[in-house]
Amino acid sequence: EIVMTQSPATLSVSPGERATLSCRASQSVISNLAWYQQKPGQAPRLLIYGASTRATGIPARFSGSGSGTEFTLTISSLQSEDLAVYYCQQYKDWPPLTFGGGTKVEIK
Amino acid sequence: EVQLVESGGGLVQPGGSLRLSCAASGFTFSRYWMSWVRQAPGKGLEWVANIRQDGSEKYYVDSVEGRFTISRDNAKDSLFLQMSSLTAEDTAIYYCARHITIFQVVTNFDHWGQGTQVTVSS
Repeated sequence: EIVMTQSPATLSVSPGERATLSCRASQSVISNLAWYQQKPGQAPRLLIYGASTRATGIPARFSGSGSGTEFTLTISSLQSEDLAVYYCQQYKDWPPLTFGGGTKVEIK
Repeated sequence: EVQLVESGGGLVQPGGSLRLSCAASGFTFSRYWMSWVRQAPGKGLEWVANIRQDGSEKYYVDSVEGRFTISRDNAKDSLFLQMSSLTAEDTAIYYCARHITIFQVVTNFDHWGQGTQVTVSS
C-alpha cells in the first residue's frame, strides 16, 4: 500500500499571501496524483490531477507540481474562500486508492 | 450537469446491515468506474470500494472486504453499497464518486455526491 503523508497538518496564511502544501508518497507514483479541496460541510472537489493539471473551472491561483514521491500544491494569493482542508490522493498503484491525511488551511 | 445523489444512510446497531444507493444523472453512467469513499467524523478521506463499468471487477479496502459489497444497475443509473456486520468504526459520511478513466486506466475522482451519514451505535 502506498502511504501518502501531507504537511503541515495546519497552515495559517494571510489573505493575499502564498500557501504551500506538501504531499509525500511512500514510493513513486510518477505523476498519478490528484489534489482535492474540501470546504466545511461540503463534499470534496477536484482541483488538480496528473500532479499539475487544473480541473475545469479551478482558478489559476491553484497550481500543482512535483513527480515521483514529492508533490506541492501552491495557492499563489490566498483568498478567504480558500479556507478548506486539502487532500492529495495517489492512483498509481491500487487497491487501495490512498489519500493523505489532509492539510487544513486557515485564514490568518 | 453531473449529479450524484446518495441515500440510504441512517442509524444502525452494531452487527447490523445497511444498503446505500447513489443515483447518477447528467452523464452516461455505464461508461464510468465508480467508487464509494468515506469520511469518519473529524477524519480524512478513505476509499472504500470501486466497480468497473460493467460490474465485472470490484475492489475493496481491506477493512471492509467480506463485509461490504459494491454493485451497480446501469439500466437505472445507480450505484449501491451493501454493508453488513457494521461496527462503530464504520461510522462515517459515505460519498459516491465518479472516476476518470484514460485508455482503460482508472485515475482520479472528478465528481462527488454530497454524501450520506451512516452511524453505527447501540
